[in-house]
Amino acid sequence: GAGVSQSPSNKVTEKGKDVELRCDPISGHTALYWYRQRLGQGLEFLIYFQGNSAPDKSGLPSDRFSAERTGESVSTLTIQRTQQEDSAVYLCASSLMAGQGYGYTFGSGTRLTVV
Amino acid sequence: QQQVKQSPQSLIVQKGGISIINCAYENTAFDYFPWYQQFPGKGPALLIAIRPDVSEKKEGRFTISFNKSAKQFSLHIMDSQPGDSATYFCAASAGAGSYQLTFGKGTKLSVIP
Repeated sequence: GAGVSQSPSNKVTEKGKDVELRCDPISGHTALYWYRQRLGQGLEFLIYFQGNSAPDKSGLPSDRFSAERTGESVSTLTIQRTQQEDSAVYLCASSLMAGQGYGYTFGSGTRLTVV
Repeated sequence: QQQVKQSPQSLIVQKGGISIINCAYENTAFDYFPWYQQFPGKGPALLIAIRPDVSEKKEGRFTISFNKSAKQFSLHIMDSQPGDSATYFCAASAGAGSYQLTFGKGTKLSVIP
């Protein structure tokens, strides 16, 4: 596609429920990232995928968070047993390759509200 | 601790004025400093970036000034326009192969007519 597509754009869920967020990167982009944006905060790195290499999961805040990506295609971020502190905008980005010379293209994000 | 401190949190500038947003960092390994612009309901978009080997980079009305000794860098928006109203994030990364960006908390800029 022309850009990074994320769905849903908004998600309201009850505390304790599981949610799944989806990201379609730009075709041909090998690197994919998930960031979290809490209200009034900067973007927090969550996880990075590069091709078929093992992902860097160092930013995942707890074991309730997990993400998958098959090859260089769609990625899903799953949050189990959601908590109110999980409320945030979850942003996905992709880049042609990883590295400073390759700028991120972000999607518009999924706004998650846990009630 | 890898951290980028950004100020001010919000900024109101009159049309035609100069908008200035400042960032400071602690990690001397940082060697790439991009700025991102985010409009409401959209993801951030890369605006301009600088490396420490230059003290200034200009692209149109946007200029980054970099002070390596002070570990500070700033974004200047000349002749600010209402269409520039957005949230601006500074960021930093360390190493050419680095894929992870450390972001500041953002500055909400409002340009009033």
